[in-house]
Amino acid sequence: DADVTQTPRNRITKTGKRIMLECSQTKGHDRMYWYRQDPGLGLRLIYYSFDVKDINKGEISDGYSVSRQAQAKFSLSLESAIPNQTALYFCATSDSGTGGSAKNIQYFGAGTRLSVL
Amino acid sequence: QKEVEQDPGPLSVPEGAIVSLNCTYSNSAFQYFMWYRQYSRKGPELLMYTYSSGNKEDGRFTAQVDKSSKYISLFIRDSQPSDSATYLCAGSIQGAQKLVFGQGTRLTINP
Repeated sequence: DADVTQTPRNRITKTGKRIMLECSQTKGHDRMYWYRQDPGLGLRLIYYSFDVKDINKGEISDGYSVSRQAQAKFSLSLESAIPNQTALYFCATSDSGTGGSAKNIQYFGAGTRLSVL
Repeated sequence: QKEVEQDPGPLSVPEGAIVSLNCTYSNSAFQYFMWYRQYSRKGPELLMYTYSSGNKEDGRFTAQVDKSSKYISLFIRDSQPSDSATYLCAGSIQGAQKLVFGQGTRLTINP
């Protein structure tokens, strides 16, 4: 089983709909991240969380919200989806212990392909 | 200007060739540099990381950092079709909260 699991893997929705993307991890990491990937733009950080009570905006948080329900679960919501939110979304985790925080090595899920029509 | 710049390619080379993938960065505070490999329809996976300047070798892969010119390179020797993927470079400040990624270079190795 994957260490970082994202659901759903694919989703097609309509403009204005509320969408939730879910991420769960079995790595025991405390830090979790949401990114979107667009052709030619690479990975851009949407939100990140260093523990259950810590939520931080990334570089492109407008139109998105997150919830850290437990150390192992981090969900991303699009309150009212719009077509330019069509992208590949990735969840990632990292470990602040054992020197991990110094390197900030992140481990990614397989991604959710979202299309907003 | 993006903090990490990477030519998106695509780059296509014959099997067995030496591949050179490059990034430049602007943040002098970066101390850790990483290369991720992403196969089609998969998430990025860490390939290698280096600390500060110098070289690091792992099998057919060599990562190189030149802090004086703010240049990051990944060399692939004896390239294989299985190396076909998108390669992303990233920089990080020690203890910082996030990685900064380049745009990714799509590489194809032709049999």
